[in-house]
Amino acid sequence: GEDVEQSLFLSVREGDSSVINCTYTDSSSTYLYWYKQEPGAGLQLLTYIFSNMDMKQDQRLTVLLNKKDKHLSLRIADTQTGDSAIYFCAELWNNAGNMLTFGGGTRLMVKP
Amino acid sequence: EAGVAQSPRYKIIEKRQSVAFWCNPISGHATLYWYQQILGQGPKLLIQFQNNGVVDDSQLPKDRFSAERLKGVDSTLKIQPAKLEDSAVYLCASSLDTDGSYEQYFGPGTRLTVT
Repeated sequence: GEDVEQSLFLSVREGDSSVINCTYTDSSSTYLYWYKQEPGAGLQLLTYIFSNMDMKQDQRLTVLLNKKDKHLSLRIADTQTGDSAIYFCAELWNNAGNMLTFGGGTRLMVKP
Repeated sequence: EAGVAQSPRYKIIEKRQSVAFWCNPISGHATLYWYQQILGQGPKLLIQFQNNGVVDDSQLPKDRFSAERLKGVDSTLKIQPAKLEDSAVYLCASSLDTDGSYEQYFGPGTRLTVT
């Protein structure tokens, strides 16, 4: 499968938690990633999770993976205005190369 | 450690003209990728090199796009002739791959506008 899907937009208030969701279709994906893109900038790797894990925590970020439902989520605790950006999930295919397939991105807007 | 460098940052050309983009990956990274990111979409892989060999170019429109990575370091991506639908940000990324995580590090991109 090649489709990675995300909701387009999320708005939260500063200090609240944000949860960005992603569904993927390839059960053989080995790694799943979350990238952040600020306006006019390249993609910044936030975190990744190996497919044999179901949770990974890294400071304010928590990644949850449900392999049965092919669902990945990114929770940002205590969301700040500086977290406003577009967030992309991506899955890695270990086929002929190491091909990353990206979702369409979720725009997170944090209101003061 | 220096990141992935790309130039130019912006380019405006007319349709049917040619354009070239340059990428310098992170030192020691064997794998280099070119992605096309159309406005409002996620990046799409165009071509992947390992050292100076092509691993995957299945999504590269080879009638107009070409890429090379001489000496396994810097890479150039060329479009000749450009079409309006080529307007996008072209992102270069590199990865080490020997650490098992296949983390890709992205450059700032080149924003191409075709008029």
